[in-house]
Amino acid sequence: DTEVTQTPKHLVMGMTNKKSLKCEQHMGHRAMYWYKQKAKKPPELMFVYSYEKLSINESVPSRFSPECPNSSLLNLHLHALQPEDSALYLCASSQDWQGRNEQFFGPGTRLTVL
Amino acid sequence: TQLLEQSPQFLSIQEGENLTVYCNSSSVFSSLQWYRQEPGEGPVLLVTVVTGGEVKKLKRLTFQFGDARKDSSLHITAAQPGDTGLYLCAGGTDSNYQLIWGAGTKLIIKP
Repeated sequence: DTEVTQTPKHLVMGMTNKKSLKCEQHMGHRAMYWYKQKAKKPPELMFVYSYEKLSINESVPSRFSPECPNSSLLNLHLHALQPEDSALYLCASSQDWQGRNEQFFGPGTRLTVL
Repeated sequence: TQLLEQSPQFLSIQEGENLTVYCNSSSVFSSLQWYRQEPGEGPVLLVTVVTGGEVKKLKRLTFQFGDARKDSSLHITAAQPGDTGLYLCAGGTDSNYQLIWGAGTKLIIKP
């Protein structure tokens, strides 16, 4: 099973709302990632979790708050977002954090901030 | 700074034609991954190549990793409309958590 699941599929929120994105994998992978992708661009790395600990934060604004409750789950909490944060948010996982390992992506959450 | 130059950025061809997409770098990668992405969906991993000179086939798709592990190509034979999508290459190394992404090739196969 090489599946990464994400919910919700679509999310529309106002700038004062608080919402969360969820990601789950059952491949036993120890590294999980959040990416942001704008149209016609490759994914941009936001956060890396390795063994359930936040290893990398790519200078992401604090209005994005990641959380890793256990080795299979990854959340992204959203608060006070801006319209320019509208994008496809992707979760991925890999065996471990080393870049040589193939990453498996979820279907993404299409986020629209009004 | 590691870069991965992907070309062409856009390709529109007729069904049945052949095509090749290239990813080139001056840096050596431990592995190179190819993904296909549909609009509004996440990238789907097609193949990972790790050995210099390696060739992998996936039905009508042939992937090659350069001998020096600095470049890779994707060749599609007899393209079908179902091959339409955004193709992305991404290189990884043992010393870096970050995948280095190509800019993507938007491929349209016309019936």
